[in-house]
Amino acid sequence: QKEVEQNSGPLSVPEGAIASLNCTYSDRGSQSFFWYRQYSGKSPELIMFIYSNGDKEDGRFTAQLNKASQYVSLLIRDSQPSDSATYLCAVKENDYKLSFGAGTTVTVRA
Amino acid sequence: GAVVSQHPSWVICKSGTSVKIECRSLDFQATTMFWYRQFPKQSLMLMATSNEGSKATYEQGVEKDKFLINHASLTLSTLTVTSAHPEDSSFYICSARDLGHLTEAFFGQGTRLTVV
Repeated sequence: QKEVEQNSGPLSVPEGAIASLNCTYSDRGSQSFFWYRQYSGKSPELIMFIYSNGDKEDGRFTAQLNKASQYVSLLIRDSQPSDSATYLCAVKENDYKLSFGAGTTVTVRA
Repeated sequence: GAVVSQHPSWVICKSGTSVKIECRSLDFQATTMFWYRQFPKQSLMLMATSNEGSKATYEQGVEKDKFLINHASLTLSTLTVTSAHPEDSSFYICSARDLGHLTEAFFGQGTRLTVV
């Protein structure tokens, strides 16, 4: 599997603030990038995916991709306590396998 | 979104016994299913890729004789952990790709295996 790096955190933000999560990947040929949210003891659930350079917004979430820098990020606006979870960055390899980062744990303080 | 059902959600077994985990795609056909393992505080590690009607492809370091995978139909893949040992205790998660949504895979609920 290819390397996907994330800061493990924990990232603590106050309620209503913006949480910013970062992810770098090693394979310059990667084309598809995913952000998953995983609550403790549960399986991951897809938040959003991005293919093209730039920003993609979905509700309170914005994914940003910079292929030249091999960097993808996730912004969570107006953070809520229910956003407290581990966020996994995943990169799709050419044969459709997903390589996951170790995840960043986010805690939103009420 | 598509639904993937994994069963059981948790299981406790004695060391040396075998455990079977099922992964079903409920409302779509999945030619490919993936099996992951996740240890506490770690990320998902791909164990194998299961293809309907053919042998599974195992990742480096995963023993194919210990982790038996069967993908007999377009909606069902099974993972059997044979002769389980305490170090096999982990969270096992399957995912399935929908032919109509090639870009993403849908995850099952996961199975917490504890070997005592």
